[in-house]
Amino acid sequence: DVKVTQSSRYLVKRTGEKVFLECVQDMDHENMFWYRQDPGLGLRLIYFSYDVKMKEKGDIPEGYSVSREKKERFSLILESASTNQTSMYLCASSSILQLAGGEAGELFFGEGSRLTVL
Amino acid sequence: AQTVTQSQPEMSVQEAETVTLSCTYDTSESNYYLFWYKQPPSRQMILVIRQEAYKQQNATENRFSVNFQKAAKSFSLKISDSQLGDTAMYFCAFMKPGTYKYIFGTGTRLKVLA
Repeated sequence: DVKVTQSSRYLVKRTGEKVFLECVQDMDHENMFWYRQDPGLGLRLIYFSYDVKMKEKGDIPEGYSVSREKKERFSLILESASTNQTSMYLCASSSILQLAGGEAGELFFGEGSRLTVL
Repeated sequence: AQTVTQSQPEMSVQEAETVTLSCTYDTSESNYYLFWYKQPPSRQMILVIRQEAYKQQNATENRFSVNFQKAAKSFSLKISDSQLGDTAMYFCAFMKPGTYKYIFGTGTRLKVLA
């Protein structure tokens, strides 16, 4: 079974602190994602990485950066945490499927990291 | 830009009954994928079912089936013989092939009652 592991389930940080959220997948997937989940807003993509050292901004990249130095690991960094970044953060990886309709993939998610910024 | 709308924030169903979760989307694309993902309480989100837009036939996975109406841009999920383990948040999602930019709806929280 694919496993996506997020380093921390719960974090409490102070405003202005630097925060690292780590994610590791064990299925050699090329694609990895960081989403933010908020009630009533669903999942919003922060960043997407399609290869080592490669990244693309998602819908809400402001205030975040990412790092992918190894294929299996994708880190989300909050350079200076703010209270409006209190949220659930979900990491995912995806396979690449060559289907008749074009490339697609199934997302495999971690358990999530609930971050509270005080 | 594509959008995905789930108009039912919460639903409940009696065990063994059937329930349908609604999803509508907006796109100008003709080829795309639609998904339903399930997020059980305090557990990882998992894929329930995938539909390829070019296929006329509705996807089915055991007790889960979809009603895909391409012209109406509607993609509902039917859960038959509901079980307590179906209690979860359900998200509808859209993806244009090759982009891996999934667009998620806001979710429907389903509670199965004993």
